[in-house]
Parts: sequence; C-alpha cells; structure tokens
Amino acid sequence: DAGVIQSPRHEVTEMGQEVTLRCKPISGHNSLFWYRQTMMRGLELLIYFNNNVPIDDSGMPEDRFSAKMPNASFSTLKIQPSEPRDSAVYFCASSPQGILTEAFFGQGTRLTVV
Amino acid sequence: AQSVTQLDSQVPVFEEAPVELRCNYSSSVSVYLFWYVQYPNQGLQLLLKYLSGSTLVKGINGFEAEFNKSQTSFHLRKPSVHISDTAEYFCAVSNNAGNMLTFGGGTRLMVKP
Repeated sequence: DAGVIQSPRHEVTEMGQEVTLRCKPISGHNSLFWYRQTMMRGLELLIYFNNNVPIDDSGMPEDRFSAKMPNASFSTLKIQPSEPRDSAVYFCASSPQGILTEAFFGQGTRLTVV
Repeated sequence: AQSVTQLDSQVPVFEEAPVELRCNYSSSVSVYLFWYVQYPNQGLQLLLKYLSGSTLVKGINGFEAEFNKSQTSFHLRKPSVHISDTAEYFCAVSNNAGNMLTFGGGTRLMVKP
C-alpha cells in the first residue's frame, strides 16, 4: 500500500482565494482525521470521520473551513476564503479502527497564504 | 478532557549517549498513550503505544517508554542514540473511546556527533 496520500505537497495562494486540500486514506481504513500543525499551536485535530461520516468537527476553526468525505477513498479540506493565519502544514491520517490502533499519517500539505 | 505536556522543547545529546524525553498527561479517565516521531518534511510515524498490560512498552528503533499512572507520565527512552534519531518526537493521549488523539507540543531531539 502506498500509505496515506495527500495533495498537493505545497500550496501557495493569495489571501481571499479558495484552497482545497486532498487526501486518499489507506484502503480498508474506516477512520480519517485532518490535523493542522503550526509552530504556535502544535498539532490540532480539525475533524474526524468514521465510515465517511463526520463525527467531531469541534476543532474546525471557523466557517471558512469545511471538510467532506464523499466516499471511503477520498476526503477534502476546503478553506474559503483563505487568510494568512491559515498558513500551516495540514496532515491527513487514517486508521483501521480509530486512534486506538494506530493512525497512519500522510506527508502533509504545506499551505502558505500570502 | 485530556492534555499532554512535553516539558522539553529541545534536547541536544551526543551520539551513543542515552536520552529521555519527558511526557506528562492529565485526564479524568483511563487513557491510551502514544509516541510518534516526525522526521523533517515527513508525516508522523508511530514509535510505540500503551493500551494496557505491561507498563514498559518497547517500540521501533530501540525506543521504549514506561507508563507511570501515579505520576501520570509516559517518558520515552533510548539507551544509545544515533545521528539518524534526530527528529521531532510527539507524545499523545487518546480518550477512552480511542477516537480522539491529543498531542503534546513536541520535543526536538538533536543528536550531535
């Protein structure tokens, strides 16, 4: 298996633009997580899906952020409109049974909003 | 709610020396504990985990950690580090449902020749 695949690896965009980050989880995993990593706040859980259904989105910063999981093999995290403070590395992780077993992380998307 | 504190943001150490990375947690319920490693420009990789049973947990790359319930700690140790161990290490705790993972702020291990 190729592991969790995220695209793009790097994204530079202007303030106000829409940004879409993509994630393909490991086949057979039924839990998917989006994390954000910054120097100031460390790793923060944004949202968690189980069987394609959002279970907890309390970590989503505000309405500008939205996440979808239309099927078991694909998820998106969208920011509209983007702001400079959204600059961070965004990680997607998947797990076969939730965090209890192990979360497998993608290599992340480094987002820079100028 | 649970939280994780990693007291040391950076730990410099010479090659072949022992190292301990400290982690303390707070939680009102039973928890599961994890250590992850992040190499530069990479995602996080699981080093080891404590779910139940023996309090001494062995992981990959020669690392081990000991769960101490009375001190609410889960310190990571390695008896002899290599240059290749230079990375950021994250301690994490999940709730008793196992579906929410909270990370500490990370400790940057810098191994010097």
